[in-house]
Amino acid sequence: AQTVTQSQPEMSVQEAETVTLSCTYDTSESDYYLFWYKQPPSRQMILVIRQEAYKQQNATENRFSVNFQKAAKSFSLKISDSQLGDAAMYFCAYRSSDEKLTFGTGTRLTIIP
Amino acid sequence: AAGVIQSPRHLIKEKRETATLKCYPIPRHDTVYWYQQGPGQDPQFLISFYEKMQSDKGSIPDRFSAQQFSDYHSELNMSSLELGDSALYFCASSLGGWNTEAFFGQGTRLTVV
Repeated sequence: AQTVTQSQPEMSVQEAETVTLSCTYDTSESDYYLFWYKQPPSRQMILVIRQEAYKQQNATENRFSVNFQKAAKSFSLKISDSQLGDAAMYFCAYRSSDEKLTFGTGTRLTIIP
Repeated sequence: AAGVIQSPRHLIKEKRETATLKCYPIPRHDTVYWYQQGPGQDPQFLISFYEKMQSDKGSIPDRFSAQQFSDYHSELNMSSLELGDSALYFCASSLGGWNTEAFFGQGTRLTVV
């Protein structure tokens, strides 16, 4: 069974600085997707970034980028130039080839003005 | 370790029928969230409960209702099912409300035919 581990329940960063959220996963599959979701107070799950396992190039979306290490089964999220609006819970998720989605337990990110 | 248990794992219903999904949170967790994830979509927040009271409401149709019982398990009732209700329904639990670590269940896949 796939598992997703976020070992940092809480993180904080100074506004305009860079922060990295960690995520590791366990799988025996070779083809899968990885996601980072942001959960603001509205409870909505907002997709931040997605990575296909077969792509070696790390995904990037504006200030958000990932460090995908397939062999190490690691998928960390880097947020550059942190903004107050980035404060939220962040969930790492894994989707297998049969569309099953597994979430990590989340990391609460606080932005310090 | 005990995890969030959802039942059933798979459910097939016909249009206009009723379905009930169950979620058993991790022991001592007092908060339950429900999400709906349609094909190719991000999880959408439906509703949450804290200490058996509805704490937040998202994009939950009027045909759906939910409650949290005295033992903290939760049920999502869906009536007059439509084809568009076909989705993966996730339940998550946490201790102490939003912005804390959340543990997701494996989901219930509902197919309406």
